Amino acid sequence: DVKVTQSSRYLVKRTGEKVFLECVQDMDHENMFWYRQDPGLGLRLIYFSYDVKMKEKGDIPEGYSVSREKKERFSLILESASTNQTSMYLCASSFRDHYYNEQFFGPGTRLTVL
Amino acid sequence: SQQGEEDPQALSIQEGENATMNCSYKTSINNLQWYRQNSGRGLVHLILIRSNEREKHSGRLRVTLDTSKKSSSLLITASRAADTASYFCATGYNQGGKLIFGQGTELSVKP
Repeated sequence: DVKVTQSSRYLVKRTGEKVFLECVQDMDHENMFWYRQDPGLGLRLIYFSYDVKMKEKGDIPEGYSVSREKKERFSLILESASTNQTSMYLCASSFRDHYYNEQFFGPGTRLTVL
Repeated sequence: SQQGEEDPQALSIQEGENATMNCSYKTSINNLQWYRQNSGRGLVHLILIRSNEREKHSGRLRVTLDTSKKSSSLLITASRAADTASYFCATGYNQGGKLIFGQGTELSVKP
């Protein structure tokens, strides 16, 4: 079974703090993704990585950065957390294949920024 | 730049009834996928249909794809209370594995 794990299920941080969200997958997937999910807005892609040390901006990268030093791990960093970053954060991974690219999701991290 | 639009946004049915959700998209795709999300959890992949396929079945799920109309539908037959969840369509195209997700349909199945 593919397993994608996220470091925390719930996280509460203060405005201005640096926040690290970590994601680990065990299926040797090339691709890893970070999304945020907000009511009425669906899933929005923040960043995408298709290989170690490679990254691509998604639709809403502002205020976020990412790190992928190892194939299995993809970190999302909020350099200075703000209240509008309160959201559900979802990590996913997949093979880099146009036709068999189903994504496997972690359980999500619900982040609250006070 | 979300591509998938889902209809209806919410659906409430009785156990045993069929549930149909629709998804429309704007540009050519390689495949279309459906995912399910239980409240407060991650998404789970249900089924993938490729652009050269018209229909696919998996258990109580039936997915159709009409590329001329750029639309897909997900049918859940003989629904159960445990099917209560949000359902998302996602379109895949030639961008190395990225998907564009719709905003989802909230399905409520009453016992």
